[in-house]
Amino acid sequence: GESVGLHLPTLSVQEGDNSIINCAYSNSASDYFIWYKQESGKGPQFIIDIRSNMDKRQGQRVTVLLNKTVKHLSLQIAATQPGDSAVYFCAEKSPLGTGFQKLVFGTGTRLLVSP
Amino acid sequence: DGGITQSPKYLFRKEGQNVTLSCEQNLNHDAMYWYRQDPGQGLRLIYYSQIVNDFQKGDIAEGYSVSREKKESFPLTVTSAQKNPTAFYLCASSYGRGSGEQFFGPGTRLTVL
Repeated sequence: GESVGLHLPTLSVQEGDNSIINCAYSNSASDYFIWYKQESGKGPQFIIDIRSNMDKRQGQRVTVLLNKTVKHLSLQIAATQPGDSAVYFCAEKSPLGTGFQKLVFGTGTRLLVSP
Repeated sequence: DGGITQSPKYLFRKEGQNVTLSCEQNLNHDAMYWYRQDPGQGLRLIYYSQIVNDFQKGDIAEGYSVSREKKESFPLTVTSAQKNPTAFYLCASSYGRGSGEQFFGPGTRLTVL
């Protein structure tokens, strides 16, 4: 079956540290993954995505790593700032059988950044 | 500015009442979606629409209804048949056939009194 799960529900770091948020997925046929950031009471915001033909993709202060062998995805945030405090979701693209695709979301990891 | 708007931000409903949540986008996206989010949980798909006048049930469609009469608009009605409607509701849109990134609105928090 399809599922996207996270190893840790809460991650607490100090300002300036690097943060790593992990995600496991079960569908080996998944070919597209997204990381979203959600602040309290707001809608999710796109952070970075990666396709299955890549192992790594970098953005501004963020890096996503994809290990297809063990079906694992991680989001690395460099020099974490208090403004990074939020819930982070990974999502994988899943076919709906109508030629359409949906995103399957994990339960999220809360990142708490202390000054 | 392009984006997705949802209204109202907060909504209170008495048991047994239907209520409609608004979602509008000016991104010229073909696809639109409704998700439900419960505290400490991820997003679950309620309904989605690929094009105007077409929509399909998602994973948790029971007790909900939608319409897609215009490309820009995808309202969600929470009916009295929905047993546990208190939740945070998120609307999203994307290009094409669901490929790539979905853009989310700010959400509507529905509370049943």
